[in-house]
Amino acid sequence: AQSVAQPEDQVNVAEGNPLTVKCTYSVSGNPYLFWYVQYPNRGLQFLLKYITGDNLVKGSYGFEAEFNKSQTSFHLKKPSALVSDSALYFCAVRATRGSGYALNFGKGTSLLVTP
Amino acid sequence: GAGVSQSPSNKVTEKGKDVELRCDPISGHTALYWYRQSLGQGLEFLIYFQGNSAPDKSGLPSDRFSAERTGGSVSTLTIQRTQQEDSAVYLCASSSLQGDEQYFGPGTRLTVT
Repeated sequence: AQSVAQPEDQVNVAEGNPLTVKCTYSVSGNPYLFWYVQYPNRGLQFLLKYITGDNLVKGSYGFEAEFNKSQTSFHLKKPSALVSDSALYFCAVRATRGSGYALNFGKGTSLLVTP
Repeated sequence: GAGVSQSPSNKVTEKGKDVELRCDPISGHTALYWYRQSLGQGLEFLIYFQGNSAPDKSGLPSDRFSAERTGGSVSTLTIQRTQQEDSAVYLCASSSLQGDEQYFGPGTRLTVT
């Protein structure tokens, strides 16, 4: 089964510092990986995806993610965190064709950026 | 352009009553997905539609849950004889192609009392 794991429930970062939100994956075949962000009482917003190609993927709001095949990881990064980045972040992997390629999500990581 | 919309935004119902949740996907998106977000279970996939067809319903948690899509657009998720464990946020998403990035609506928060 296609799955992802987010080992951290919460990440705390000071504004202006770099941030990393971790994600590891377990798939059969080539992984199709996504990051979404959820602000309070809002739906999920797409940040970026990895399908193939460059291991460093750039996305919305200055976020990027690094795909590492040997470590089966897809960590989300940002060089300089903003207080407004505080939200819940979900890593996801595309499921099987039988589900219409639905998304299997990690449990989420709460990011808190302090001034 | 308009995103995915869902209604109602909040629904409080008594145990045993039926509820209908509505999703309006992005115009032109052929794939539509329903998910459920709850504290205990995280984000769970429920069902997907390609056009008006739902080839795989195995994600629905029980036979009290059903969904339909008409005109390749609006979808309705129906929960019959609601139970307290059905309380959750129900999210709808659509994509232009299966496997492409999905765009989510704001969700319907269902509370069963």
